[in-house]
Amino acid sequence: AQSVSQHNHHVILSEAASLELGCNYSYGGTVNLFWYVQYPGQHLQLLLKYFSGDPLVKGIKGFEAEFIKSKFSFNLRKPSVQWSDTAEYFCAVNARSGNTPLVFGKGTRLSVIA
Amino acid sequence: GAVVSQHPSRVICKSGTSVKIECRSLDFQATTMFWYRQFPKQSLMLMATSNEGSKATYEQGVEKDKFLINHASLTLSTLTVTSAHPEDSSFYICSARVTGWGNTIYFGEGSWLTVV
Repeated sequence: AQSVSQHNHHVILSEAASLELGCNYSYGGTVNLFWYVQYPGQHLQLLLKYFSGDPLVKGIKGFEAEFIKSKFSFNLRKPSVQWSDTAEYFCAVNARSGNTPLVFGKGTRLSVIA
Repeated sequence: GAVVSQHPSRVICKSGTSVKIECRSLDFQATTMFWYRQFPKQSLMLMATSNEGSKATYEQGVEKDKFLINHASLTLSTLTVTSAHPEDSSFYICSARVTGWGNTIYFGEGSWLTVV
């Protein structure tokens, strides 16, 4: 079974600081990887996804993530955060084969202060 | 992107009553939908996998007689919380896999259930 680990529970950054949120997964087979964001009071939105090909994936709102297979990692990055990036970020994975649900990490709360 | 709609977004019910939450895929067909539960400040926990035309598959520890899931069509799945208790108060989120478009899963807006 898959599992996802997000190391940072709460990250506080000043505006314009760079962001990197860690995500590691555990699974022996081929996976699809996702980052979702949940803004306060809103529903989950897909930030970006990796299925195959270029391991550096660009998503919406200036976010990107890099899949490093040897490290089982899929860290989320943004060079310069804004106050509006304050949200909860979830890393998720599912097995590429079969009809499998997403397995989520526990989430990382990002607070961006002015 | 694909749209998944949940209704109601917020519901308050009395202890002992039942409440139904709907999950619709608005512009695509979804043979598989997933129901998650999110406790405050925690991650999403999968409750069950709902397949159109067949019985849902429940995760360990989820009472299938309490959380009834019906997936009668390719665009609608429902979750009914039966004989609700205050400890059932939570945020329930559905998601749907876009059939034929790869493996992307889209989420509904979620439903806040408060049992008083």
